[in-house]
Amino acid sequence: DGGITQSPKYLFRKEGQNVTLSCEQNLNHDAMYWYRQDPGQGLRLIYYSQIVNDFQKGDIAEGYSVSREKKESFPLTVTSAQKNPTAFYLCASSPTGPREKLFFGSGTQLSVL
Amino acid sequence: AQSVTQLDSHVSVSEGTPVLLRCNYSSSYSPSLFWYVQHPNKGLQLLLKYTSAATLVKGINGFEAEFKKSETSFHLTKPSAHMSDAAEYFCVVSDLGNFNKFYFGSGTKLNVKP
Repeated sequence: DGGITQSPKYLFRKEGQNVTLSCEQNLNHDAMYWYRQDPGQGLRLIYYSQIVNDFQKGDIAEGYSVSREKKESFPLTVTSAQKNPTAFYLCASSPTGPREKLFFGSGTQLSVL
Repeated sequence: AQSVTQLDSHVSVSEGTPVLLRCNYSSSYSPSLFWYVQHPNKGLQLLLKYTSAATLVKGINGFEAEFKKSETSFHLTKPSAHMSDAAEYFCVVSDLGNFNKFYFGSGTKLNVKP
């Protein structure tokens, strides 16, 4: 079945540690996105990529990094510079073009030990 | 600039009664509007979308929404709530001027009482 796979489902980070969240899609979508979700705040855009080897910062990019070496993969690294990383992280993709919708993965819950 | 306001953070209804979740938007160009549903610790699932065709949009699970340009609203309704409708609902807007940017409302949590 086509879709977006996020792993792991739960992740724990120690102080000063970088962690990487995986996002893979087999929908052949050009655009991919990372969102952070905190209770009561909706979704905030961290990074997005419209094409391979290109990505742009979203509204809350500080303390995060991404890469887009393959069309199907868009991993997110939460660095030690991100002082409040505990949140639910959602990856999404969409076809490029107007009137298209977002397709979401099932999310990764990141917590700090 | 684009933005979305969901007017209620929490809505509580009894099973079998109507549901109304309110959404107002601002958009510089012709908007696309979406409603997504999220069950606890899950990803978001599309309920319905408006993309400049019919102003009354029917979605999955009996939900529908009406695009009202004069009121800049896109409220979500359902005639009769079911226990399985309890979830969080997000209103989302994008526009032709920047169609790869999506703007999310802060969400409305729907509680359905037996």
